[in-house]
Amino acid sequence: EPEVTQTPSHQVTQMGQEVILRCVPISNHLYFYWYRQILGQKVEFLVSFYNNEISEKSEIFDDQFSVERPDGSNFTLKIRSTKLEDSAMYFCASSEDGSNPVGFGPGTRLLVL
Amino acid sequence: EDQVTQSPEALRLQEGESSSLNCSYTVSGLRGLFWYRQDPGKGPEFLFTLYSAGEEKEKERLKATLTKKESFLHITAPKPEDSATYLCAVQAADTGNQFYFGTGTSLTVIP
Repeated sequence: EPEVTQTPSHQVTQMGQEVILRCVPISNHLYFYWYRQILGQKVEFLVSFYNNEISEKSEIFDDQFSVERPDGSNFTLKIRSTKLEDSAMYFCASSEDGSNPVGFGPGTRLLVL
Repeated sequence: EDQVTQSPEALRLQEGESSSLNCSYTVSGLRGLFWYRQDPGKGPEFLFTLYSAGEEKEKERLKATLTKKESFLHITAPKPEDSATYLCAVQAADTGNQFYFGTGTSLTVIP
């Protein structure tokens, strides 16, 4: 069964550094998402992406965040200048048509020191 | 105000002891309610989608039901391998394609 994959599985960075989290969505899916989960808290929506542009974003997704689909398979989340509070598990997800169940990747655990 | 509330926060069951998890929602124009299972350090794993009140879905020992205000995840004769956090998420007409998640119910099944 096709799965969403994410790299790296863990990333440790210094505050103020840029990080890029990578995802390969399920191949026939058209909607892509990033969610995050701070330890012990709920899964929170960051951004959705469709047709090569952001379709929705939350208040969390400020100017420090950006997303890109640089080729036909990868979907990336960039954090330009990381803050301590960016430490979280970041999940990539994809959906066939935006209303079907979203498949989640295994996550990237980001630790900002 | 939270749009999705799950209860209880944590539940400990003896193996074979059936119970139910609750997910209450306050969104308008529900497009879908989704149940996920999350194991520690892993991404949510899809279980069920419910679209309209009265709908029921079953998978092995799990059964999900939906009313106009809440959903229940019934666990019949649970086994230790059912131990996980169960997440409820909703998609609503006024929130586009994004999912709103509850905080989850952490289920522990004791052998």
